[in-house]
Amino acid sequence: DQQVKQNSPSLSVQEGRISILNCDYTNSMFDYFLWYKKYPAEGPTFLISISSIKDKNEDGRFTVFLNKSAKHLSLHIVPSQPGDSAVYFCAASLYGNSNYQLIWGAGTKLIIKP
Amino acid sequence: KAGVTQTPRYLIKTRGQQVTLSCSPISGHRSVSWYQQTPGQGLQFLFEYFSETQRNKGNFPGRFSGRQFSNSRSEMNVSTLELGDSALYLCASSRRGQGPAETQYFGPGTRLLVL
Repeated sequence: DQQVKQNSPSLSVQEGRISILNCDYTNSMFDYFLWYKKYPAEGPTFLISISSIKDKNEDGRFTVFLNKSAKHLSLHIVPSQPGDSAVYFCAASLYGNSNYQLIWGAGTKLIIKP
Repeated sequence: KAGVTQTPRYLIKTRGQQVTLSCSPISGHRSVSWYQQTPGQGLQFLFEYFSETQRNKGNFPGRFSGRQFSNSRSEMNVSTLELGDSALYLCASSRRGQGPAETQYFGPGTRLLVL
């Protein structure tokens, strides 16, 4: 039972345009959402996050939007650059048993075309 | 500041064998988490250690175990390997692991192939 789903395995975007990566979740108890980026042969690196009490968080070219009623979040990258080509993971935090755990999506491979 | 290091980077084993993977966290980080990543799957949480104690555990069989040493270095052991254990094993460290707002820093992973 996948509680966090990234339905697009890959996405191709022209350099300079907007990249939109999507993530859907099923558990309304998730209280925090994160995006990580992963290059080949490297571990994931933290990109941006959002608390469930907010609907938008912005950091430079990266903006995350959260729609709690639709249980959907998206990552916008504007403008897209070649260095943004990577696999992007969405993760959601669930608190229980006195600790929290991250539930991860399967990832979306973003390809930025020059 | 050195990042999270994992050894070995690549490993080939046969079914039934056991394997031990090592993770050295960033200096000053006391929380170490382990994840399994397989193709088409997100990262699956294995367990988390803090101050030599397992603080959190995912839904993996008992063949998967771990430990943490007093210097915060951690090891993960998989016994009686199965073909399905072939995966990328990632280790992540954070200062105290007290919540999702605290960034986790990942190592490059150990790629395990079970034949």
